[in-house]
Amino acid sequence: QVQLVQSGAEVKKPGASVKVSCKASGYVFTGNYLHWVRQAPGQGPEWMGWINPKSGGTSYAQKFQGRVTLTRDTSISTAYMQLSRLTSDDTAVYYCARDKSGADDTFDMWGQGTMVTVSS
Amino acid sequence: IQMTQSPSSLSASVGDRVTITCRASQSISNYLNWYQHKPGKAPNLLIFAASNLQSGVPSRFSGSGSGTDFTLTISSLQPEDFATYYCQQSYSRTPLTFGGGTKVEIK
Repeated sequence: QVQLVQSGAEVKKPGASVKVSCKASGYVFTGNYLHWVRQAPGQGPEWMGWINPKSGGTSYAQKFQGRVTLTRDTSISTAYMQLSRLTSDDTAVYYCARDKSGADDTFDMWGQGTMVTVSS
Repeated sequence: IQMTQSPSSLSASVGDRVTITCRASQSISNYLNWYQHKPGKAPNLLIFAASNLQSGVPSRFSGSGSGTDFTLTISSLQPEDFATYYCQQSYSRTPLTFGGGTKVEIK
């Protein structure tokens, strides 16, 4: 079964960092880019960046440059999203999403989402 | 590239024909995708490249448009179609952007 399974909900204090995992199964992990998208309460989705699982190459939305780091571990088919210097504005559901045809920026499969709450 | 959807919400009955529009702030050719999102679930790709039905998606869903104006149509609304729908442009990665969503509710 082709799926992306994400790690569980997190509660963090302002200024802290969070690391969310996304484990792929049912397909060749290195064959498709993985994107990260977040959705704050009441807002539309917001794209954060992508990682090429084969090469480890990354690209980040300018808004998150310097705060987000995407990595992967091919031995366990898992991608990670780390976001640092958290503020209350980072409270959102974070999704990983597979690129449909390798790298065409269309998301054909999504993880179940990870709720990150930033609160003092 | 800004993506603007309208309406932001609508009420419709089972069997109704529903049309959702998405406008891009500049031409994006046909680099436009549509997703369905139900609360607590992962979003689901419906239409890619403006008019191509994703595998496994019912044929009552269709997409059209090019340039700046796009439409998602549900020909006969079914109970399982009540959800929020988002458009997304894949023309420019700097950054990839989504519309604000259209919530389809039961009338």
